[in-house]
Amino acid sequence: NAGVTQTPKFQVLKTGQSMTLQCAQDMNHEYMSWYRQDPGMGLRLIHYSVGAGITDQGEVPNGYNVSRSTTEDFPLRLLSAAPSQTSVYFCASSYSGQGRGYTFGSGTRLTVV
Amino acid sequence: QQQVKQSPQSLIVQKGGISIINCAYENTAFDYFPWYQQFPGKGPALLIAIRPDVSEKKEGRFTISFNKSAKQFSLHIMDSQPGDSATYFCAASRSSARQLTFGSGTQLTVLP
Repeated sequence: NAGVTQTPKFQVLKTGQSMTLQCAQDMNHEYMSWYRQDPGMGLRLIHYSVGAGITDQGEVPNGYNVSRSTTEDFPLRLLSAAPSQTSVYFCASSYSGQGRGYTFGSGTRLTVV
Repeated sequence: QQQVKQSPQSLIVQKGGISIINCAYENTAFDYFPWYQQFPGKGPALLIAIRPDVSEKKEGRFTISFNKSAKQFSLHIMDSQPGDSATYFCAASRSSARQLTFGSGTQLTVLP
């Protein structure tokens, strides 16, 4: 089992560019989520999904878009990148989403210049 | 609004010593308190977790102590080893919500 796979691992964007961070899991988890990790701030929830076709906002959703067309995939889209979005992004999945049994991907380090 | 406050931000311990990381929470509806361990370049991984109906949980060298009245919980790492050097995050969640709220993290360094 691959678990949670995130691509790319590193990315540099120019301000205003758009891009999609990919996340795929092979554990048949219904719940998937995106976090960003910034120094001294822990991990903050951006968006989450409790199943295909269902998404909801987390703590810091502005500037990000998500969709969930399949159980396996949960891409995160940056619509118009800003330097404030420079961060490390983690995708996580779990069987229930109630804080239990989260499996995290290895992260995408994004720099916006 | 930081719902889970974690301290210290960084911690240096000698090999064989005890590492202690503390967290405090505000929302009394939280009913699950996990700790995650993160190595450089990796995603966080679940280390140990506790529910508020117990005051302590131990798994090997790792122990969570939980004080419901004080709304505090802590991670104790006994006989700390250089391989324990990592960033540790406390977190909290409630069954009715689909969110895990994290503390700000503690960077632990265990000196050989």
